[in-house]
Amino acid sequence: QSVLTQPPSASGTPGQRVTISCSGSSSNIGSNTVNWYQQLPGTAPKLLIFFNNQRPSGIPDRFSGSKSGTSASLAISGLQSEDEADYYCAAWDDSLDVYVFGLGTKITVL
Amino acid sequence: QVQLQESGPGVVKPSETLSLTCGVSGDPISSDDYWGWIRQSPGKGLEWIASIFHRGITYYNPSLKNRVTISLDTAKNQFSLKLRSVTATDTALYYCARHSVYWFFDLWGHGTLVTVSS
Repeated sequence: QSVLTQPPSASGTPGQRVTISCSGSSSNIGSNTVNWYQQLPGTAPKLLIFFNNQRPSGIPDRFSGSKSGTSASLAISGLQSEDEADYYCAAWDDSLDVYVFGLGTKITVL
Repeated sequence: QVQLQESGPGVVKPSETLSLTCGVSGDPISSDDYWGWIRQSPGKGLEWIASIFHRGITYYNPSLKNRVTISLDTAKNQFSLKLRSVTATDTALYYCARHSVYWFFDLWGHGTLVTVSS
């Protein structure tokens, strides 16, 4: 298990908006910034969102992040087939003194 | 273009030491970046192992700290991981990655699979 809780799966049809939640606590999301990573099948994770809502260069604006209190969300608008991947939230945990990842959410495009 | 490339044995016997190296090209390892190791196994998902900054500052996952050493070789522009007394639970895909002081990993290697088996 992880201290960051994500739903194991979510799905949508092309063009839809899909949202992934990440629930934590005051020692991680509540006091540190949240990052999101995308892992396409058979590849290494890729940074998708940092500082809660910032996109690295090259990441489409279809991807957006937000944070409120001890929870964070990743939204994918205009879902595309190439968005089928696993998505992980992550943050530093001050109590555990460790960088923690959620267990990931598998996005399926129907 | 900055690239990271892991190298290692592939198979390690139980109780022995796993040694991995990450070669860095296109970015001096003595820059203001941090360098780390993360592993991924089916049972535990992504797990951060350790990180290092060129000024000798190291960070370890408390759950692995007693068995792990991370080090830098600035002359070869690479960094390394040693994990001692391995067991089957250490079987995983090991990634090296770069991160900032703000702890987001913005560049990853392709990963190297390590299997612990006799």
